[in-house]
Amino acid sequence: DTGVSQDPRHKITKRGQNVTFRCDPISEHNRLYWYRQTLGQGPEFLTYFQNEAQLEKSRLLSDRFSAERPKGSFSTLEIQRTEQGDSAMYLCASSPARQETQYFGPGTRLLVL
Amino acid sequence: QKEVEQDPGPLSVPEGAIVSLNCTYSNSAFQYFMWYRQYSRKGPELLMYTYSSGNKEDGRFTAQVDKSSKYISLFIRDSQPSDSATYLCAMSAAYGGATNKLIFGTGTLLAVQP
Repeated sequence: DTGVSQDPRHKITKRGQNVTFRCDPISEHNRLYWYRQTLGQGPEFLTYFQNEAQLEKSRLLSDRFSAERPKGSFSTLEIQRTEQGDSAMYLCASSPARQETQYFGPGTRLLVL
Repeated sequence: QKEVEQDPGPLSVPEGAIVSLNCTYSNSAFQYFMWYRQYSRKGPELLMYTYSSGNKEDGRFTAQVDKSSKYISLFIRDSQPSDSATYLCAMSAAYGGATNKLIFGTGTLLAVQP
């Protein structure tokens, strides 16, 4: 499978715990995006990487959220001190250089109890 | 007011019907328009991509963009039960070297009845 992959697919955690999600983009794509989707809503942009550089962060990305993309390959999204409001589907997408189409992974569904 | 408005539905049609899905937007800087299909508990799947105004056809799907009216449409011909999903419109603005983050509508839930 050469699509975007995400791990884990599901995560249940207790409030206050830290969680980390991983995204592996399509291999030749240098752009990587994180989005969050809640029930009945479309995905909302969180952050963007071009290669290893994080070039934009949404206001939705509070100080408890951090994302990295070491070496411009896979990316991780960490949420510290999770809150019930963090429960959502976290989606990763990638895009090749100079193209606007974004290809999404299957998402990580987070439930904070 | 949201940048992108989309009727959430649900929309129920009989098999074989022509389906029309629509979005309106307010940001005149949007240049790239996409439609994604999302099955329950799955990631969005890219269906159609259009740059600026005009029509694009791919099999049973036709995407239309009218920038003067800030209105985009997706038509599905000969709808099938397997088309039952949520359809998301998405769009982005193009600035040199910018993020090109996608702004999504809320999605329209479509059910095609056999």
